[in-house]
Amino acid sequence: NAGVMQNPRHLVRRRGQEARLRCSPMKGHSHVYWYRQLPEEGLKFMVYLQKENIIDESGMPKERFSAEFPKEGPSILRIQQVVRGDSAAYFCASSPAGGLAYNEQFFGPGTRLTVL
Amino acid sequence: AQKVTQAQTEISVVEKEDVTLDCVYETRDTTYYLFWYKQPPSGELVFLIRRNSFDEQNEISGRYSWNFQKSTSSFNFTITASQVVDSAVYFCALNGGNTGKLIFGQGTTLQVKP
Repeated sequence: NAGVMQNPRHLVRRRGQEARLRCSPMKGHSHVYWYRQLPEEGLKFMVYLQKENIIDESGMPKERFSAEFPKEGPSILRIQQVVRGDSAAYFCASSPAGGLAYNEQFFGPGTRLTVL
Repeated sequence: AQKVTQAQTEISVVEKEDVTLDCVYETRDTTYYLFWYKQPPSGELVFLIRRNSFDEQNEISGRYSWNFQKSTSSFNFTITASQVVDSAVYFCALNGGNTGKLIFGQGTTLQVKP
């Protein structure tokens, strides 16, 4: 049973380019969360999605960032016109629906984004 | 507001010493969950433990133990007889109610020297 998968593991972009980060949740999981870890800092919540719905995007920057979790395929975190301050590790986590397990999140290995 | 505070930024110990990592949280929720994660130098996040707010029983898993005290809003983590492989950043996290999101502390970097 594969865990949460993220790709790419490392992504290098120049300022002004777009970055697309992909996350495939664990099999059977329908909840996806994105977190960002800036250098020397803890993880900060960005967005929480279920299939085809954004449930909570209170941690998303107001501009340039968007996320989706389509009916088919992985969840995508998209950063347009990247700036150096976007350089960070982006972690995806998934959880199954319902019950106590609702609050248990399994993390992927992260995508390290470097903006030159 | 929900908040997690890990006051210890860095801790350095010599192998075989015991070490306790502190975690203090704030929440108004009556039902919440507390977590500890380990982030080794390779960067991934490794789940260590989850504790429910209605279960104050302490837990021991091998060399790891956790002390949950609602009266002081603390969820401390102790490593007994530390090993070099324990060197990592350790994060305490809170998930209150049904918001779905984890609130992380700043992390404590533990260095275990041989």
